This record gives sequence, structure tokens and C-alpha cells, in this order.
Amino acid sequence: AQSVTQPDIHITVSEGASLELRCNYSYGATPYLFWYVQSPGQGLQLLLKYFSGDTLVQGIKGFEAEFKRSQSSFNLRKPSVHWSDAAEYFCAVGSGGSNYKLTFGKGTLLTVNP
Amino acid sequence: GAVVSQHPSRVICKSGTSVKIECRSLDFQATTMFWYRQFPKQSLMLMATSNEGSKATYEQGVEKDKFLINHASLTLSTLTVTSAHPEDSSFYICSAEQGNGQPQHFGDGTRLSIL
Repeated sequence: AQSVTQPDIHITVSEGASLELRCNYSYGATPYLFWYVQSPGQGLQLLLKYFSGDTLVQGIKGFEAEFKRSQSSFNLRKPSVHWSDAAEYFCAVGSGGSNYKLTFGKGTLLTVNP
Repeated sequence: GAVVSQHPSRVICKSGTSVKIECRSLDFQATTMFWYRQFPKQSLMLMATSNEGSKATYEQGVEKDKFLINHASLTLSTLTVTSAHPEDSSFYICSAEQGNGQPQHFGDGTRLSIL
């Protein structure tokens, strides 16, 4: 069965600092990997996805993520955090193909200090 | 593009009431829609997968008679929580997929509170 681990429940950074959110997955084949962001009381917005090809993926809002097969990781990064980035971030793995199911990590809550 | 609308955004009702939540894909046809449940400070748990014109596939432990799902068209799926009780209070989120491996797009969720 596929699974996702986000080791950090809560991260606090200062505005302007760099950010890395960790994500490790378990899946038997090449996974589809996603990062979503959720603001309080809202649905999820897709930041970026990895299906195949270049292992460094660029997303919206200045985020990027790198797929490392050897480490089963898909960490999310941003060089300079803005106060508006404060939210909950979820990493997810999908089984691929059509009608695939997503398995989500437990999320990382990001707090940004001024 | 790829907007998913979920309605209502919040429901407060008495125990024993049935509540219907709608999920619409506004600018694309969704071959598949998914329903999730999210407890406070928890991740999303998939409840069921619904394909247009066929019966929904429920995840283990989800009561299909409690959570009725109808996917009558390629742009609309509904989740009805029947005879809701306080333990059904939660945040319910739907998502829709265009197919061909495209990512799921999520609605803004429905906060259900059963008194």
C-alpha cells in the first residue's frame, strides 16, 4: 500500500528565510507526487506535481520540489518565504493512470514570523 | 481553469437530519470525483470514489448507507449524509479529475456541524 510521511508537524520560519518541507513516500512503482496547500477552512490548491521527466519541478507561488528516487523523497522548497505562505501543506502520492487515488501525508503547518 | 465548486460551505443542523453536499466541476467534465473527510488538524481521508453513471466505490470502514453518493452527470456529484449524528461533524471536501492522469482539483470544502 502507498503511504506518505511528513516528518514535521509544524515549522516556523521568518519572512524572507528559505523553506524546505520534507516528504517521504512509499510506493512500489514510479509514483505520481503532489504538493497541495490549504488555508484555514478552505479546500486544497495544487502547488506542483511530478509525473515523470525532470526531477526538479517548478510550481506556482515560487515553490519547487525535487524528486529523489534513491531517498523516496519529494521535498518542497522556496528560497524566500512570504507572510502569505502561512498555511498547511500536504504531500500526496498517487498510483498513476486514470482514476488514481491519492494518499495524503498528515500535513505540515507553516507559520511565518514577520 | 479547472474550478470545482462545493456547496454549501457550512451547514449546522440537528441530529437526525439528512444533509446533501454538492460538488460541481465548473469548466471541465470530471470523469471521476472523490469525497474526502478531514478531522481537525488531520489529513484528508478518502471516503469514496465516484464515476459518472455508476455506483461509488467506498473505502474500507465507510458506511455506504450512511454516506450516499450520486454522480448523475460529468459535472455534478452529491454526498448525502443520512440521519446525521454529532460524530458525523467534520470537514468534507470533494475533488474532481479530468482523466488522462491530470491532477485532482479540490472544492473549498463543507464544514458540517451536527448539534
